[in-house]
Amino acid sequence: DTAVSQTPKYLVTQMGNDKSIKCEQNLGHDTMYWYKQDSKKFLKIMFSYNNKELIINETVPNRFSPKSPDKAHLNLHINSLELGDSAVYFCASSHLGGTVNTEAFFGQGTRLTVV
Amino acid sequence: GDSVTQMEGPVTLSEEAFLTINCTYTATGYPSLFWYVQYPGEGLQLLLKATKADDKGSNKGFEATYRKETTSFHLEKGSVQVSDSAVYFCALRSDSNYQLIWGAGTKLIIKP
Repeated sequence: DTAVSQTPKYLVTQMGNDKSIKCEQNLGHDTMYWYKQDSKKFLKIMFSYNNKELIINETVPNRFSPKSPDKAHLNLHINSLELGDSAVYFCASSHLGGTVNTEAFFGQGTRLTVV
Repeated sequence: GDSVTQMEGPVTLSEEAFLTINCTYTATGYPSLFWYVQYPGEGLQLLLKATKADDKGSNKGFEATYRKETTSFHLEKGSVQVSDSAVYFCALRSDSNYQLIWGAGTKLIIKP
């Protein structure tokens, strides 16, 4: 069973379109993240949800909107896609509650290409 | 704020060479420290971790020791293989707000 799964793995779309990336974790974690990785492999945190509440909201365009329907899911919707949005987007999860804090577990990534 | 600095890549070595990838950090309190590895086309996966000073994390022949006096967590391996070619990320987790802070990543290339 895949611990953190995100879909799709590849996404090619035209400028101006709206797209969504889905993420699900089956680890029972209470915190989920979205990261953007650029072509130089630099990893940038975008959002983090803890128990469905937004706890990290870094400076990203408001065209990006996360949605967490429950603790196991964190989706990312992107409006009016631009060329500069092309990157690999990673979902991750960890557990921050109680006395046990785990490391982050990552999905396989979604390679978004805007043409 | 907290930060992680790791050596710039790419680092290119021959098979069986000794590897060191430097990582230093700035943090208040007592963060946990991690090394993650990203193989081509894949997500990041935890390689090893240390949660307190003088702890040594180890996995797959890699080691790193949490040195509070030098605020470092350098990654080492005695004899690298072609299959170790990947991008390596050093990270810390703050013990106050539990945020994960990432280094810029170091690309490692091992030539046969």
